Amino acid sequence: EAGVAQSPRYKIIEKRQSVAFWCNPISGHATLYWYQQILGQGPKLLIQFQNNGVVDDSQLPKDRFSAERLKGVDSTLKIQPAKLEDSAVYLCASSQLAGGGTDTQYFGPGTRLTVL
Amino acid sequence: DAKTTQPPSMDCAEGRAANLPCNHSTISGNEYVYWYRQIHSQGPQYIIHGLKNNETNEMASLIITEDRKSSTLILPHATLRDTAVYYCIDHGSSNTGKLIFGQGTTLQVKP
Repeated sequence: EAGVAQSPRYKIIEKRQSVAFWCNPISGHATLYWYQQILGQGPKLLIQFQNNGVVDDSQLPKDRFSAERLKGVDSTLKIQPAKLEDSAVYLCASSQLAGGGTDTQYFGPGTRLTVL
Repeated sequence: DAKTTQPPSMDCAEGRAANLPCNHSTISGNEYVYWYRQIHSQGPQYIIHGLKNNETNEMASLIITEDRKSSTLILPHATLRDTAVYYCIDHGSSNTGKLIFGQGTTLQVKP
């Protein structure tokens, strides 16, 4: 079974530029999560989708971050404009069931973003 | 904020058992204890979870105290590939599914 795919694996941009990350979850998984992991910290949830609807985006800085999950499959996370403090690893995860709950989450390898 | 507390780091000799403690004194009755680990430059990986009873799978064993306020993850024969950050998370079915990670325990397995 293929795992969660993410691209690119690494990205370096200047501050105020825009950037987009892509995630392809495990086939058939209803719930998709984007987490931000700053160096030395545990991952923090940015947004959660159930199918193509948003369940939780309370920690998403909506003035600069946006995300979508078209057709309930792939997802993109965009930052526009980027700030220095956005330097982090962006992790995508998926779980099988709709509604999240205690369902096991499977993580992709992440995209490491460096903002200069 | 995370509701669990873990020691920041531990060492273990290769081939020995690694015992990683976690305190979750505010865990509620319907919350499970989940363990994930994150090897360097990879995403977190699920290890095991439990509610009340001790659990064992091919990766590890989970021992939960009777009052459910603490637990221990046991890697029975640690290898160098088990070097990672281990996260203990209390996770309930009543929430939306998001995992609230703390700082975790960095386990260094030494030859």
